[in-house]
Amino acid sequence: DVKVTQSSRYLVKRTGEKVFLECVQDMDHENMFWYRQDPGLGLRLIYFSYDVKMKEKGDIPEGYSVSREKKERFSLILESASTNQTSMYLCASSLMAGLSSYNSPLHFGNGTRLTVT
Amino acid sequence: QQQVKQSPQSLIVQKGGISIINCAYENTAFDYFPWYQQFPGKGPALLIAIRPDVSEKKEGRFTISFNKSAKQFSLHIMDSQPGDSATYFCAASINGGSYIPTFGRGTSLIVHP
Repeated sequence: DVKVTQSSRYLVKRTGEKVFLECVQDMDHENMFWYRQDPGLGLRLIYFSYDVKMKEKGDIPEGYSVSREKKERFSLILESASTNQTSMYLCASSLMAGLSSYNSPLHFGNGTRLTVT
Repeated sequence: QQQVKQSPQSLIVQKGGISIINCAYENTAFDYFPWYQQFPGKGPALLIAIRPDVSEKKEGRFTISFNKSAKQFSLHIMDSQPGDSATYFCAASINGGSYIPTFGRGTSLIVHP
C-alpha cells in the first residue's frame, strides 16, 4: 500500500518566518505534488515534480518554492510566511507520466495544517 | 477559469437516501474522470473512476453516470450511510497526456442517522 507521509500534522509559524513542509513517499513514484486546500476553493496545485531536481509551477506558485533532491522526498518552502498562507497543505504522489491515467491515481498524505500568525 | 465545476458545495442527506453530486467540464480532451473521497483529518483517496467509453460505472453503493454529449458526470451514493459523510472531489484528466487531474471544488456530504 502506498504511503505518503507528511512530517507535521499541525504547524504554527510567525509572519516572515521561513517554513519547510516535508513529504516522503515509499512507492518509488516519479511524480509528486503539493496542493493547498481551502474551504470553498477545493484543491489548488502549488507545484509538482516529475523527476528528481525537476519542478513545475502549478496554479498558485506565488510565495512558494519546492525542492526535490531525492526521488522519495518533496519539500515545500515558504520563503517568508504570510497570514494568507494559513491553510491545509496536502502532498501527493503518482506513478510516472506517460502511463495510463487509469493506473496512476494520486495518493495523498494526511495533510499539514499551517497557521501563520 | 474553472475547468471542472462541481455542485452542490454542501449536501445533507438522511440515512438510506440517495446522495447526488454533479460535475461539468469544458475541455473535450478530458478522458478520465475519477472521484476522490476525503474523510476529516485525512487526505483524499481515489473512490471510483470512469472512462468516457462507458456511460455508467458501479462499485457497490457508488455509481458514476457519464454524459459525454453534455460534458457532465455525476456520483450517486445509494442507501447513504453516516460513514459516507466526507468531502467528495470530482476530477478530470487526459489519459497519456497531462497526468495532472483538474479538480472540482468539492462537496461536503453529511449523512444524518
